[in-house]
Amino acid sequence: KNEVEQSPQNLTAQEGEFITINCSYSVGISALHWLQQHPGGGIVSLFMLSSGKKKHGRLIATINIQEKHSSLHITASHPRDSAVYICAVRRVFGNEKLTFGTGTRLTIIP
Amino acid sequence: EAQVTQNPRYLITVTGKKLTVTCSQNMNHEYMSWYRQDPGLGLRQIYYSMNVEVTDKGDVPEGYKVSRKEKRNFPLILESPSPNQTSLYFCASRGRKNRLTGELFFGEGSRLTVL
Repeated sequence: KNEVEQSPQNLTAQEGEFITINCSYSVGISALHWLQQHPGGGIVSLFMLSSGKKKHGRLIATINIQEKHSSLHITASHPRDSAVYICAVRRVFGNEKLTFGTGTRLTIIP
Repeated sequence: EAQVTQNPRYLITVTGKKLTVTCSQNMNHEYMSWYRQDPGLGLRQIYYSMNVEVTDKGDVPEGYKVSRKEKRNFPLILESPSPNQTSLYFCASRGRKNRLTGELFFGEGSRLTVL
């Protein structure tokens, strides 16, 4: 079983819908990252969380350390949000090693 | 412009022919790292460096070498490439001031094919 699991693997939604992408992990972590990979392949950091919630524009990320779970929400989704969203965890005592989920491919239809 | 630059972006080579993928950043970042991305497996960390002359293994270091002689450069060396190293490679960096936000800056990727 992978240490980091994302769901769903693929998600197609209509423009304007509220989107939720989930990330569950099975190891102790010091931080969790959310990344966005554009259709062209470029990768951008969205958030790093160690507790609670962060918001940037229409993106909201939450983490529940006790349940070993994080969610990425997109409000008022837009076709430009179409991308692969990847979560990654930094393990406790793992220095700067990152372990990644396999990603969620999001497609927003106009 | 702040950026992480990888070269080459695309390379087709043959088994056993040594190659180096260069990574350079112009942001004076301390931390640099290499990842490979494969279908169904996602991103996996190969090596990382906390600063000049400080490197450490990630989850998949076998078959790779790195060096960090200067702060701006972090080359990935494949001494004897094999077909299972065919992959999309990403370099990333982060400065000390970005450690609180965790923001990583990624290169555009290098697609390597080993025949």
